[in-house]
Amino acid sequence: NAGVTQTPKFQVLKTGQSMTLQCAQDMNHNSMYWYRQDPGMGLRLIYYSASEGTTDKGEVPNGYNVSRLNKREFSLRLESAAPSQTSVYFCASSRDPYSNQPQHFGDGTRLSIL
Amino acid sequence: DQQVKQNSPSLSVQEGRISILNCDYTNSMFDYFLWYKKYPAEGPTFLISISSIKDKNEDGRFTVFLNKSAKHLSLHIVPSQPGDSAVYFCAASARHSGAGSYQLTFGKGTKLSVIP
Repeated sequence: NAGVTQTPKFQVLKTGQSMTLQCAQDMNHNSMYWYRQDPGMGLRLIYYSASEGTTDKGEVPNGYNVSRLNKREFSLRLESAAPSQTSVYFCASSRDPYSNQPQHFGDGTRLSIL
Repeated sequence: DQQVKQNSPSLSVQEGRISILNCDYTNSMFDYFLWYKKYPAEGPTFLISISSIKDKNEDGRFTVFLNKSAKHLSLHIVPSQPGDSAVYFCAASARHSGAGSYQLTFGKGTKLSVIP
C-alpha cells in the first residue's frame, strides 16, 4: 500500500552538482506532479505530466528538467544545483488531470545545497 | 500575486472546542477547493473538498463551507482533538488555459495546535 514513493528522503549537494529525484506511484494514476515547498510558503508547482509521454511547465520551472519514464515514474533533475533550490520537494499523482480530483502526495525529499 | 491566501499562520484551540481555519481566493476561475493536512516530515494528506456548485460539504468531524460571493472558504473541525495538530493547506483548482488539465494553487498554510 505504498502510494507515492520518493527517493532519496534527504540529500546534501554542493553548488553546481547535479541530482535526480525519483518518484514512483503504484495507483495506476495518469498524471504526476513535482512541487517545492519553502519555509512559510505553500507548495508551488515545478512541472507536471498529464499523461505518459507529456510534460509541461508549472509556476517555477527554471533550473529543473523532468522525465516521465513510464506511467509509474516521474523524475526531477537539477542539472547545476544552486543554493536557491534548497527546499523540500514533493511528488504527487492523480487519476485524471482533466477532472477535479485530489492529488496524492509522497513524503518529500529534503534537499540542501551548500 | 497570491491567488489563495491563508491569513492566519497559526491557531491554538482547546481540545473539544471548534477549530475554524479560513482561506480566501482571488481567481474566479477556481471551481474546486480542497483542504490538505500535513504532519512534520510527511507529505500533505487530502482531507476534504468542495465543488464550487455547493456551499457545504461534511465528512465526520470536518466541514468545509464555501461562500462564492465573498471568495472565502473555511474548514470547521468539531470537536478538535490533539491528533488534529498539524499544518492545514487550502488549495484551489482551475483548468490550465493552455494544456486543459486542472492545476492546484496552494495557500501558505495554517499551523493548528490543539491543546489537551
